[in-house]
Amino acid sequence: DAGVIQSPRHEVTEMGQEVTLRCKPISGHDYLFWYRQTMMRGLELLIYFNNNVPIDDSGMPEDRFSAKMPNASFSTLKIQPSEPRDSAVYFCASSLYRVNTEAFFGQGTRLTVV
Amino acid sequence: GENVEQHPSTLSVQEGDSAVIKCTYSDSASNYFPWYKQELGKRPQLIIDIRSNVGEKKDQRIAVTLNKTAKHFSLHITETQPEDSAVYFCAAINKETSYDKVIFGPGTSLSVIP
Repeated sequence: DAGVIQSPRHEVTEMGQEVTLRCKPISGHDYLFWYRQTMMRGLELLIYFNNNVPIDDSGMPEDRFSAKMPNASFSTLKIQPSEPRDSAVYFCASSLYRVNTEAFFGQGTRLTVV
Repeated sequence: GENVEQHPSTLSVQEGDSAVIKCTYSDSASNYFPWYKQELGKRPQLIIDIRSNVGEKKDQRIAVTLNKTAKHFSLHITETQPEDSAVYFCAAINKETSYDKVIFGPGTSLSVIP
């Protein structure tokens, strides 16, 4: 397995534009997490899914953020409209069977909103 | 909800010395405590974890200790090497909801000086 795959690796967009980040979890993993990493706030959990169902989205900062997992092999995190303060590295991670096992992170997407 | 604190925020040691990073958590029901290492520009990766039924766990030069009564746990790295330089994150499982949630500490930036 190639691990958790995120795309794009880097995204530069103008304020007000829609941004879509993509994630392919490791095959067979039934938990998927979206994290945001900034210098000021560290690693923040935005939302996580179990068996494609959103379980806790209390970390999603605003209504501008939305996440979907239409099937077991794909998830998206969308920001609409984007703002400069959304600039961060966004990580997707997946784990097998339960949360208290190793979470495998993707390479991350570095988002810059100008 | 769960709150994880981590100290120190930065740590510099001479190569060959030991490094200790400490974390405290608030939810006494938490029962899983992983440590992740993130090298510059890379993804976080699990290096060691401990469950609440164990007081100490070792893996070569790294060890983790857990004090459930005091609700703190520590990462110990002995004989540090330059490749140990990274940001280290502790985490605890939040059992507040029916599904577990991983809460990360703010991170410790470790620099090993050759």
